[in-house]
Amino acid sequence: GAVVSQHPSWVICKSGTSVKIECRSLDFQATTMFWYRQFPKQSLMLMATSNEGSKATYEQGVEKDKFLINHASLTLSTLTVTSAHPEDSSFYICSASEWGTPRSYNEQFFGPGTRLTVL
Amino acid sequence: SQQGEEDPQALSIQEGENATMNCSYKTSINNLQWYRQNSGRGLVHLILIRSNEREKHSGRLRVTLDTSKKSSSLLITASRAADTASYFCATGRGFGNEKLTFGTGTRLTIIP
Repeated sequence: GAVVSQHPSWVICKSGTSVKIECRSLDFQATTMFWYRQFPKQSLMLMATSNEGSKATYEQGVEKDKFLINHASLTLSTLTVTSAHPEDSSFYICSASEWGTPRSYNEQFFGPGTRLTVL
Repeated sequence: SQQGEEDPQALSIQEGENATMNCSYKTSINNLQWYRQNSGRGLVHLILIRSNEREKHSGRLRVTLDTSKKSSSLLITASRAADTASYFCATGRGFGNEKLTFGTGTRLTIIP
């Protein structure tokens, strides 16, 4: 199956700093990437949909100026949490989708997640 | 976005027994998928069932879909300790790069 990596796998930062999380598709071209956040023992909540070369589409209630998404290439999308605060502490997961191939029938390939802790 | 509901929220069974989890959703769908998540890890895709399918098998997994009731079930037969994880259903309304809507999840514990 297709492989998606995330970096870093965990990060601890001070309140007020910005943190960048990378999501890479390793063996396929991801025309679309999705960013989710997950609080402990809860489900995944979609934050935004990112298409290569265009602006991300944010879900209702997600601050686009706080969660900056860049999908500059077909294998890399980044999520930057700006001026992070303790309430931003969460598990962030990306997924990638490949359009135009037999495996593109709505199958998303998930990264291993990044645990962000803001002190 | 609306989420599906899964029940039970938590399930503990003895190793070797079968585990059944249910998922209900609210809107019309194109497909429904089941994922597994081990604690603190990413999601692993288990199986996808399309709206025109009623049942699908993959190894020890059996998924059913009833679009009239807007519900699906995941059956894991002959459970193993390694099956301990959270299981999520996710619905898609189209194909291609359509976003998924995840259910609330079932935490499955297999007791050795």
